Amino acid sequence: RKEVEQDPGPFNVPEGATVAFNCTYSNSASQSFFWYRQDCRKEPKLLMSVYSSGNEDGRFTAQLNRASQYISLLIRDSKLSDSATYLCVVGGYQKVTFGIGTKLQVIP
Amino acid sequence: DADVTQTPRNRITKTGKRIMLECSQTKGHDRMYWYRQDPGLGLRLIYYSFDVKDINKGEISDGYSVSRQAQAKFSLSLESAIPNQTALYFCATSDWRGDGNIQYFGAGTRLSVL
Repeated sequence: RKEVEQDPGPFNVPEGATVAFNCTYSNSASQSFFWYRQDCRKEPKLLMSVYSSGNEDGRFTAQLNRASQYISLLIRDSKLSDSATYLCVVGGYQKVTFGIGTKLQVIP
Repeated sequence: DADVTQTPRNRITKTGKRIMLECSQTKGHDRMYWYRQDPGLGLRLIYYSFDVKDINKGEISDGYSVSRQAQAKFSLSLESAIPNQTALYFCATSDWRGDGNIQYFGAGTRLSVL
């Protein structure tokens, strides 16, 4: 089983839609959780950290479910500029592990 | 100016050649990492370093070596490049005491081995 698993997509959604991505992880001792965004041929950039209580940043909401070992990202009111690959990242003290990413394409 | 700078940005080399990729940072972070990214495989850790005297292998270190010349500099070497080392390489830094293991990436080096 992979340490971090994501559906690679692509997810093709119309502008204004709500889209959700899930990610599962295998190491129950994981301590840190993030979502990164990566545009084509560019470096990954932090979108948001994920906390046990859940957290929101504008149109983006992240949730962590430790019991089921998954994290989620919800994007509301999708914009064309949200088109990118979203990487789930899970880790601990020494290092983190990246999922392969979920590709999102927002269509006009 | 970028906080994490990678050089070169693009490189084409031939099988068997030695090549070095360089990374420098102005973020003052202790930790530095080298990853490679391949389509369908995601980002995979090659080596990481917590300080100048602490270097660790990642999941795919075979065929690579690293040098941490200073807190701000971490270079990756391919001693004898082979075609399956063609990939996008990223350097990253983190500050565990500051904001956990959030990774801050350089712009990447696109390497082609012919």
